[in-house]
Amino acid sequence: GENVGLHLPTLSVQEGDNSIINCAYSNSASDYFIWYKQESGKGPQFIIDIRSNMDKRQGQRVTVLLNKTVKHLSLQIAATQPGDSAVYFCAENRGGADGLTFGKGTHLIIQP
Amino acid sequence: DTAVSQTPKYLVTQMGNDKSIKCEQNLGHDTMYWYKQDSKKFLKIMFSYNNKELIINETVPNRFSPKSPDKAHLNLHINSLELGDSAVYFCASSGPGGELFFGEGSRLTVL
Repeated sequence: GENVGLHLPTLSVQEGDNSIINCAYSNSASDYFIWYKQESGKGPQFIIDIRSNMDKRQGQRVTVLLNKTVKHLSLQIAATQPGDSAVYFCAENRGGADGLTFGKGTHLIIQP
Repeated sequence: DTAVSQTPKYLVTQMGNDKSIKCEQNLGHDTMYWYKQDSKKFLKIMFSYNNKELIINETVPNRFSPKSPDKAHLNLHINSLELGDSAVYFCASSGPGGELFFGEGSRLTVL
């Protein structure tokens, strides 16, 4: 399943399929990007990050892709599991002391 | 052995009251933050403190005041609570790399 930008806040995928969550960031000067996972009733948890001098980074079952030309970030989750159900946020660091700026979030729902 | 802990987890109160939310981090980070998450899950930064100095103050009402007794604590005090203050408030801290570590959140309900 694939979410197109931030206009589809809910993404539903079958268990075992791959998920792709997309994010359009706003500031071309941003140099650091993070994907967070927020489960119901909990705080956001770090999944994976990437710096602007890279275009791809892989973790365990997750891959982040960065396209600076079009200011686009994506999170790919391989072999989606029920425990992956959560809201996923992209966040960008615009530099300085402003902390992270978060996108709107995508709710990932896993169908059995 | 929680890295960022905040209390209380739930807070229900009447309009006009004053309340505080406490936050502590044991990560040795220099910078701490308060974020507000609304009903649509949008996370917006409210404040950050670096070595006891306020370095960001977004356009939040002055009824909200962060207080940092030391580097490991950043408390949020809210005066004259309004219905629109109902939200989940998250404390976070960050190290040199910029990654944020969040607490579990404090759900504030104003009646």
